[in-house]
Amino acid sequence: AQSVTQPDIHITVSEGASLELRCNYSYGATPYLFWYVQSPGQGLQLLLKYFSGDTLVQGIKGFEAEFKRSQSSFNLRKPSVHWSDAAEYFCAVGTNAGNNRKLIWGLGTSLAVNP
Amino acid sequence: DAGVIQSPRHEVTEMGQEVTLRCKPISGHNSLFWYRQTMMRGLELLIYFNNNVPIDDSGMPEDRFSAKMPNASFSTLKIQPSEPRDSAVYFCASSQGGGSPLHFGNGTRLTVT
Repeated sequence: AQSVTQPDIHITVSEGASLELRCNYSYGATPYLFWYVQSPGQGLQLLLKYFSGDTLVQGIKGFEAEFKRSQSSFNLRKPSVHWSDAAEYFCAVGTNAGNNRKLIWGLGTSLAVNP
Repeated sequence: DAGVIQSPRHEVTEMGQEVTLRCKPISGHNSLFWYRQTMMRGLELLIYFNNNVPIDDSGMPEDRFSAKMPNASFSTLKIQPSEPRDSAVYFCASSQGGGSPLHFGNGTRLTVT
């Protein structure tokens, strides 16, 4: 069965430090991968997505993610975190690029940023 | 672009009462999704519409839940009768279909006492 695991429930980093949020998936074929961010009291916003091609994808707000097929991972990174990045981050796997309903969601990683 | 608009933002009701959540998708989007978010289960897809037609409602928990999309600019999710275990944040999202991203509303926080 398809699944998404975000191993870190909560992460705290200092402002200006680098960040990596982990995402591992289980799926038999090539997945379609997404990272969304949720600020308190708001809905989810797409940060970036991977469908095919270059395995390093760039997103909004200075985020990037790298698809590693051998590790079944799609980790999210940012070289220098800003206080405004404090939020909940969700990884999702899609089994069909043309079918949004097949998104399988991780449980999220809560990011806190110390000044 | 006003984004996806959901109402109400908060709803507190007593067990057994009927609850109706509302959603206005982004104009031009032909796909609409209702999700439920809880700490224990994360994000769960309840139902998905394409061109106003329900395509997959396998995520609807039980017959107490129903959803409609009478036109391209409005959808409702109804719970009747409501139960305390229905307490959650309910999100509506819309997209242009295909691989386009989901645009989420700000959600409705439902508390059933």
